[in-house]
Amino acid sequence: GAVVSQHPSRVICKSGTSVKIECRSLDFQATTMFWYRQFPKQSLMLMATSNEGSKATYEQGVEKDKFLINHASLTLSTLTVTSAHPEDSSFYICSARAPPGTSGRALYSFEQYFGPGTRLTVL
Amino acid sequence: AQTVTQSQPEMSVQEAETVTLSCTYDTSENNYYLFWYKQPPSRQMILVIRQEAYKQQNATENRFSVNFQKAAKSFSLKISDSQLGDTAMYFCAFMRDGTASKLTFGTGTRLQVTL
Repeated sequence: GAVVSQHPSRVICKSGTSVKIECRSLDFQATTMFWYRQFPKQSLMLMATSNEGSKATYEQGVEKDKFLINHASLTLSTLTVTSAHPEDSSFYICSARAPPGTSGRALYSFEQYFGPGTRLTVL
Repeated sequence: AQTVTQSQPEMSVQEAETVTLSCTYDTSENNYYLFWYKQPPSRQMILVIRQEAYKQQNATENRFSVNFQKAAKSFSLKISDSQLGDTAMYFCAFMRDGTASKLTFGTGTRLQVTL
């Protein structure tokens, strides 16, 4: 249980184009999903928290108009990098949390389950 | 705001030996969770072990165990009988209790297991 997928695993795009990354919880409902960015040899930096059916909460310094997050269902959140530029090239990771009170069968509401990440390269 | 500090950027251990990775954190919360994550070259984040702050007993998962010192705000990871597959980045993470809680990660320790 607690499998999270991301698509695509890697994407190369031209500067100025928009790129959408999908994050899906495959075997559980995720009321909350998180989006992280990771530069080489660095730690994960939280970009935003998204709750199903409501607007995402962005961390300080993250441009909400640049990184559009939609959490339209309990199993899907999307991150769209708009008008991408080379400095947006990075590794993007999503994670998902089960609903509050979930416990057992190796699924706990206090844990985050991570997707495999998406490598974005902007030329 | 919570902070997590990993003071060892890199460590090396020989196969079959034991290694301990350090982690300290700063918080004013009483209820929280601590985690160690492993990130191998594939970059998939893998949960190694978790500790709930209200539990006094140190968590153990096979070859992995922690030394949780709540008063000292210390949460070290011990890897016994190190294997080549343990080579990875290891991140310590903190999360306070609550439905809107976020993970705060340390800067990571790169562990190399050698023959």
